[in-house]
Amino acid sequence: DAGITQSPRHKVTETGTPVTLRCHQTENHRYMYWYRQDPGHGLRLIHYSYGVKDTDKGEVSDGYSVSRSKTEDFLLTLESATSSQTSVYFCAIRSVQGALKEQQYFGPGTRLTVT
Amino acid sequence: DAKTTQPPSMDCAEGRAANLPCNHSTISGNEYVYWYRQIHSQGPQYIIHGLKNNETNEMASLIITEDRKSSTLILPHATLRDTAVYYCSRAGNMLTFGGGTRLMVKP
Repeated sequence: DAGITQSPRHKVTETGTPVTLRCHQTENHRYMYWYRQDPGHGLRLIHYSYGVKDTDKGEVSDGYSVSRSKTEDFLLTLESATSSQTSVYFCAIRSVQGALKEQQYFGPGTRLTVT
Repeated sequence: DAKTTQPPSMDCAEGRAANLPCNHSTISGNEYVYWYRQIHSQGPQYIIHGLKNNETNEMASLIITEDRKSSTLILPHATLRDTAVYYCSRAGNMLTFGGGTRLMVKP
């Protein structure tokens, strides 16, 4: 579990409104990831971070931005939500401690509905 | 070009070994192979990972071919609680996933 929490866990919002999802970890892991999961598409990477203020795009980054101003928090922002962004969003962390000790964990997910 | 390729579904009898294959023919030399599973709508759960050697832990065994183009996750004695979607992923900085295999363990 690695102390990963996501907030909110559920959200309903209207098209065109901004939305920010938060991922919080308590163990100072370097790598953090945001995924979305949709029926028929599996898990798709949106953005990831490899350190404070260091982020990069994933497979489906259009319409999303991220920020990481401190190690423990990774924020995902939808500047202007669209119905196509209705999905379940998962945060993940990865600690790089060496090949045999590396651990990866996912958060519980945030269910976002854009109406 | 799919990052990983897995069969969409498999069945396994309870108590028997479940062997789940994954193709990752374009994997880079520094990318690890990871396996996760997801039960219902919970967050994916880490199972095992490896680079080029076979690995075993309390949950499963991972067999990676010598050319690293494919791997097999082995659940040695499948139980009904192992029914889940199993994802194979490859990871350098980015973790990317394929479509997963829905494993149904039957009594």
